[in-house]
Amino acid sequence: ETGVTQSPTHLIKTRGQQVTLRCSSQSGHNTVSWYQQALGQGPQFIFQYYREEENGRGNFPPRFSGLQFPNYSSELNVNALELDDSALYLCASSWDLQETQYFGPGTRLLVL
Amino acid sequence: GEDVEQSLFLSVREGDSSVINCTYTDSSSTYLYWYKQEPGAGLQLLTYIFSNMDMKQDQRLTVLLNKKDKHLSLRIADTQTGDSAIYFCAERGANTGKLIFGQGTTLQVKP
Repeated sequence: ETGVTQSPTHLIKTRGQQVTLRCSSQSGHNTVSWYQQALGQGPQFIFQYYREEENGRGNFPPRFSGLQFPNYSSELNVNALELDDSALYLCASSWDLQETQYFGPGTRLLVL
Repeated sequence: GEDVEQSLFLSVREGDSSVINCTYTDSSSTYLYWYKQEPGAGLQLLTYIFSNMDMKQDQRLTVLLNKKDKHLSLRIADTQTGDSAIYFCAERGANTGKLIFGQGTTLQVKP
């Protein structure tokens, strides 16, 4: 157990809808990173938040957005869902920007 | 560009050693990681190695790094059925928090 929690565990949405995924970082960690893992693939970096500011973004369109709160928990928002957004979304926290990342259990999103 | 490659599948007998290999392209990599993923679960950090090291041992796990060839390996001694999972190699470059993952190696351990 890493102490990183994510909610919900599973979610089903339809194409065009919007979704918000949540992550609580491990105690003492100020950095949260989000990854998308499609079936049978390795995780792909979406973005990272450090002390409430975005610090680095992967090759994802602007309809993927995020927030980090003063308690360092974080949200990932995806607008205008597409079928290809179906994946496991993983959140990882670290005690600083370039430190080891510890992953939560993930949220499995299915877009129909 | 940045790329990490792994072989897709490895099958071993219980009690044997397993060796999972990984190659990467980013010469500025500072840390290299091994994560384990069991079915339906998130990623569990197994071990990591700093780029100025060539070996790290942690109980049954041995990591070897050949920086010249950009080759990383994970050896699991006395492999158990509970080691059956997908193993991901990941690298992190300098001045970034972004991890680049391989596509994962499925380890099957036969009794």
